[in-house]
Amino acid sequence: SQQGEEDPQALSIQEGENATMNCSYKTSINNLQWYRQNSGRGLVHLILIRSNEREKHSGRLRVTLDTSKKSSSLLITASRAADTASYFCATAPRSNDYKLSFGAGTTVTVRA
Amino acid sequence: ETGVTQSPTHLIKTRGQQVTLRCSSQSGHNTVSWYQQALGQGPQFIFQYYREEENGRGNFPPRFSGLQFPNYSSELNVNALELDDSALYLCASRTGTVGEAFFGQGTRLTVV
Repeated sequence: SQQGEEDPQALSIQEGENATMNCSYKTSINNLQWYRQNSGRGLVHLILIRSNEREKHSGRLRVTLDTSKKSSSLLITASRAADTASYFCATAPRSNDYKLSFGAGTTVTVRA
Repeated sequence: ETGVTQSPTHLIKTRGQQVTLRCSSQSGHNTVSWYQQALGQGPQFIFQYYREEENGRGNFPPRFSGLQFPNYSSELNVNALELDDSALYLCASRTGTVGEAFFGQGTRLTVV
C-alpha cells in the first residue's frame, strides 16, 4: 500500500509559470522527501523536510509541511522545460523510518 | 549522477525463471534498499540491508531475496518469476538507515 498520495495526478503548465503539487499521508512521520523521476528512470532526491520543520527552500523549490493535516506541498517557481518529470513524495514513518513509502506521483509537463 | 549503478538496464525473462539484479552503491553507503515500480505507480519498498543484514522488509513474498556485500554491492534475486513481476527495479543507497536516498537508474524487467 502507498502511504502518500499526490495531487493532482497530472499538471500541464507554460514555461515560466509556477507548479504546485500536494501530498497527503496517513501516519506520523520522521521526515518527508520529494523526488523527481524523468521518463521512468532513477529517482533524484530534491529535498527533505523534517517533522519539526514547516518550510524549506532549495533553489526554485519550496516545500511546506503541515503535520497537523498530514500534508505537504512542493512549489516549483519559474518552471523550465527541463522540469518536465514525475514528482513523488516519500514519507519515512516514525515506526519504520528506514522504509520510504511513495505515492503514485504527479506528472508535470512544462510547455515551451 | 548519484554514484549508484545498476545492471543490467533491461532484461527479458520467461515466467517461472529466476533473475538476479545487481547494484553498486556509493562508497561509504552501508545501507541499500530495493524498490519495485510498476508502470504508472510509485516505487514499492521490497527490503533494506544494513551492514549485510536484512533489517526491514515490505509486503513481498519470500521468493524475493537479497544480498549485500562488503564492497557496497548488492543483489536482488527473484525466483519463480510471474508476469506481475514485470516492473522497474530500483536500488537506493544511503549512509545510515534514514535520510536522503540515492537511487540508481533502475533495471527494467519484463516477464513473458
